[in-house]
Amino acid sequence: DGGITQSPKYLFRKEGQNVTLSCEQNLNHDAMYWYRQDPGQGLRLIYYSQIVNDFQKGDIAEGYSVSREKKESFPLTVTSAQKNPTAFYLCASRLAGGTGELFFGEGSRLTVL
Amino acid sequence: DQQVKQNSPSLSVQEGRISILNCDYTNSMFDYFLWYKKYPAEGPTFLISISSIKDKNEDGRFTVFLNKSAKHLSLHIVPSQPGDSAVYFCAASGDNNNDMRFGAGTRLTVKP
Repeated sequence: DGGITQSPKYLFRKEGQNVTLSCEQNLNHDAMYWYRQDPGQGLRLIYYSQIVNDFQKGDIAEGYSVSREKKESFPLTVTSAQKNPTAFYLCASRLAGGTGELFFGEGSRLTVL
Repeated sequence: DQQVKQNSPSLSVQEGRISILNCDYTNSMFDYFLWYKKYPAEGPTFLISISSIKDKNEDGRFTVFLNKSAKHLSLHIVPSQPGDSAVYFCAASGDNNNDMRFGAGTRLTVKP
């Protein structure tokens, strides 16, 4: 079945550690996205990528980094520079071209201890 | 700067009645709008969309209305069912880019 897979579903991290969240899709979508959800704030865009080897910052990119070496994969690294990393992270993808819905993964919950 | 706003954090309606969820946007370059439904600890699922060339799109019990001059859209669910209870997000994107912005969400509770 086609879809988006995020891993791990739950992750605990000590302060000062970097952590990488995985996102893989087999939908042959060109564009991929990372969002962060906090209570009462909806989904905020961290980074997005329209094609391989290219990505753009969203509204809250500080403290995060991404790479897009393959069309199917768009990992997100939460660095120690991110001041409040505890959140629910969602990866999504869609066909390029500006229309069409995003398909979301199941999410990854990161908790910093 | 929140470009998509859902000003009602919650809404409660009786089963069988109409649910109306509202959304406002500020970016006049947005021309494609979507509604998503989300349960806790899951990814959002697509519900319905509308292009700016239309003012209404209907899919079963769900209808989205777009008022471009007011930069306002709404989602109507009729009749509402208890299974509709979830958080609903409004989203918008422009034609010339691939980013998509979401509102803060409205939690809908449909009481039996």
